[in-house]
Amino acid sequence: DSGVTQTPKHLITATGQRVTLRCSPRSGDLSVYWYQQSLDQGLQFLIQYYNGEERAKGNILERFSAQQFPDLHSELNLSSLELGDSALYFCASSVRGVESITDTQYFGPGTRLTVL
Amino acid sequence: DQQVKQNSPSLSVQEGRISILNCDYTNSMFDYFLWYKKYPAEGPTFLISISSIKDKNEDGRFTVFLNKSAKHLSLHIVPSQPGDSAVYFCAASVYQGAQKLVFGQGTRLTINP
Repeated sequence: DSGVTQTPKHLITATGQRVTLRCSPRSGDLSVYWYQQSLDQGLQFLIQYYNGEERAKGNILERFSAQQFPDLHSELNLSSLELGDSALYFCASSVRGVESITDTQYFGPGTRLTVL
Repeated sequence: DQQVKQNSPSLSVQEGRISILNCDYTNSMFDYFLWYKKYPAEGPTFLISISSIKDKNEDGRFTVFLNKSAKHLSLHIVPSQPGDSAVYFCAASVYQGAQKLVFGQGTRLTINP
């Protein structure tokens, strides 16, 4: 158990809909990262938040957005969903993730999103 | 542009033997590397890491080797155990305002009894 929790575990929805994925980082970790893993693909970095502020962006679509709240939990919002958005979405956390490249990122169990 | 490549999608090894998983990268700005292990229906689990100032790091049965000139790293598992059967991802870290990890596509390791 990494200490990172994600809800829900599974989500099935229809094209055009909007969903929210939730992540609680490990106790004491200030950075939260979101990754997408499509079928047979590696993990693609989407976005990182540090202590409530967006710090880094990867290949995140404009239809996707995220935020980190004062209690450090984070939500990833996916809107106008398309079939190709079906994937595993992982959240990770680390102690810092800023001013350091040697932080270890600890991953949650993921949310499997299926868009029909 | 795949900056981190794991060219072997799968690897099968006999229990007790050595497993060697390989990873190549193209970006010379990467200077910290990690290996993660992933079981089905679980998130990736951190295994071992190495800084670019080292060429080897060992942790029990796991050793990571880094060849900076060849932009290549490898993970050695010895002896291999059935519980090692999983997908292994290598990841490279670069600082771009914050730490960013770039992952390879993974190698599925199967340990045969």
